[in-house]
Amino acid sequence: EAGVTQSPTHLIKTRGQQVTLRCSPISGHTSVYWYQQALGLGLQFLLWYDEGEERNRGNFPPRFSGRQFPNYSSELNVNALELEDSALYLCASSGWNNEQFFGPGTRLTVL
Amino acid sequence: QKEVEQNSGPLSVPEGAIASLNCTYSDRGSQSFFWYRQYSGKSPELIMFIYSNGDKEDGRFTAQLNKASQYVSLLIRDSQPSDSATYLCAVMGSNTGKLIFGQGTTLQVKP
Repeated sequence: EAGVTQSPTHLIKTRGQQVTLRCSPISGHTSVYWYQQALGLGLQFLLWYDEGEERNRGNFPPRFSGRQFPNYSSELNVNALELEDSALYLCASSGWNNEQFFGPGTRLTVL
Repeated sequence: QKEVEQNSGPLSVPEGAIASLNCTYSDRGSQSFFWYRQYSGKSPELIMFIYSNGDKEDGRFTAQLNKASQYVSLLIRDSQPSDSATYLCAVMGSNTGKLIFGQGTTLQVKP
């Protein structure tokens, strides 16, 4: 069974630019979660989507947004990039039992 | 007080020994508890989850939960050098979708 997939693997952007990260959940999973893992800050919860709806949001500014498509894949958009947005962005998916399985992540570098 | 606390380590054990990793949490409403393993440069891998007080065993891993003391632990029996990684404790409240992670404990298993 294929795991969670994310694209791209790496990304380099400059301050002020916009970025879109993509995630495909494990087959049969309807919930997708996004987390940020910045150096020294640990894993921080960003967003939870389930059945196409945003269910919960972490303590991040509105320039972090996303959506979930009918096939349960998801996008994370970050506008007006700042240097401190440099991090590993992780997507996870779960089925009915809340066990979250992570994808390989997208490493974003903002210069 | 941090929501989820772990000793950052490093915790060093000899090969074949039992490694004991501990985690405390502050929210008494937390419902689900998870242990993830993260190798350097990789994404977190779910290794154990527990919902009820007591012990849960899976192979060489045993998770222990004590909700009254707000304490969860992970025991790794017959530790192997391949177990050397950062172990992340995570807790989730009821229907939030949000995993709150500790900073992780670095485990070193020496041959």
